[in-house]
Amino acid sequence: QKEVEQNSGPLSVPEGAIASLNCTYSDRGSQSFFWYRQYSGKSPELIMFIYSNGDKEDGRFTAQLNKASQYVSLLIRDSQPSDSATYLCAVNKDQTSGTYKYIFGTGTRLKVLA
Amino acid sequence: DTEVTQTPKHLVMGMTNKKSLKCEQHMGHRAMYWYKQKAKKPPELMFVYSYEKLSINESVPSRFSPECPNSSLLNLHLHALQPEDSALYLCASSAGSSGANVLTFGAGSRLTVL
Repeated sequence: QKEVEQNSGPLSVPEGAIASLNCTYSDRGSQSFFWYRQYSGKSPELIMFIYSNGDKEDGRFTAQLNKASQYVSLLIRDSQPSDSATYLCAVNKDQTSGTYKYIFGTGTRLKVLA
Repeated sequence: DTEVTQTPKHLVMGMTNKKSLKCEQHMGHRAMYWYKQKAKKPPELMFVYSYEKLSINESVPSRFSPECPNSSLLNLHLHALQPEDSALYLCASSAGSSGANVLTFGAGSRLTVL
């Protein structure tokens, strides 16, 4: 089982719709969860992070965390063609040495159709 | 200054060459990372430095040699690489290496090994 799993997609949604991206993780000790967006040929950029159960909203983006189900999601409202990118879920995992590793899922490719 | 700066942006090297990738941040971050990313794959952790000490080495071949001269600088020395080492090399930093500290990525160095 991979530590962080995402559906690779592509996920295609029409412009203006809600895009729902999902991520599951295997380590119950994981503490913080991150969503990064990566355009082709560019480096990942942070969209938002969450570490408490529930929802966290930032503009058109909402992150949802359910630690009991080991599930984190990202909702993008009013999707725009400029949102077309690969979305990477990352988990911050304690290495017992006091250092944390950021483990990335394989990413979901989102296509927003104009 | 909220940037992580990587040089060079592009590097082409032969299998017998020695070259270095450089990374610099002036955000006062105390943890710095090297990731390797192949096309259509997620970033794969190579090394973590925490407070200028190497804290994680993900069993990376010795032809990759990291160095952290001070808290703002991170180098990756390359020697006797193989064509399969061609990838985008991403440097990142975080305020610390624990908890909800966010990873900030540089733009990456695209390496081609001939």
